[in-house]
Amino acid sequence: SQKIEQNSEALNIQEGKTATLTCNYTNYSPAYLQWYRQDPGRGPVFLLLIRENEKEKRKERLKVTFDTTLKQSLFHITASQPADSATYLCALPPPGGSYIPTFGRGTSLIVHP
Amino acid sequence: EAQVTQNPRYLITVTGKKLTVTCSQNMNHEYMSWYRQDPGLGLRQIYYSMNVEVTDKGDVPEGYKVSRKEKRNFPLILESPSPNQTSLYFCASSERDSPVQIVQFFGPGTRLTVL
Repeated sequence: SQKIEQNSEALNIQEGKTATLTCNYTNYSPAYLQWYRQDPGRGPVFLLLIRENEKEKRKERLKVTFDTTLKQSLFHITASQPADSATYLCALPPPGGSYIPTFGRGTSLIVHP
Repeated sequence: EAQVTQNPRYLITVTGKKLTVTCSQNMNHEYMSWYRQDPGLGLRQIYYSMNVEVTDKGDVPEGYKVSRKEKRNFPLILESPSPNQTSLYFCASSERDSPVQIVQFFGPGTRLTVL
């Protein structure tokens, strides 16, 4: 079955540095991959979608890469700020059937001033 | 304002007392789904609906029921809640901008405690 892996340990970085989060997946070749941000006690918010034929996608300070050979996506936040502190979730469409994405467990990012 | 709403936001109940968590969206989305989120387990899909009167089980459907009588509403029903259903619940709706690309819009969450 499909498996989505995100680092369960929190990532601590200093303000101004680039944060890099990893999403690995197995047993599947998804047509796209998504990244969401979740603040404590709130619903996830969609950030970016990258398709299987795209290597890289950017939105302001965010950059996502998608390596279908490695079965991995990297999520970068450049010039990070304390306000970027949150949990970041990757999501993939399940193989067959429903198009509704399933989510990784997320990685907590803490940006220190 | 485009949004997904859930009610109640917080609920404390006792084992066996039937409850319903409502979910409504005003974006005319076809797809709706329910998730539960538990520490260390992430978001797990309970049920989803791809259209009115069309529902299907997600990864953890046991102990839950849903219905989709109208496009905008997707209530989650716990017929006989148990303490292991204590969790944070999210409703989501999805727009489908192509056959394969689904972006989820989430509600604010319902924190349920079953004693």
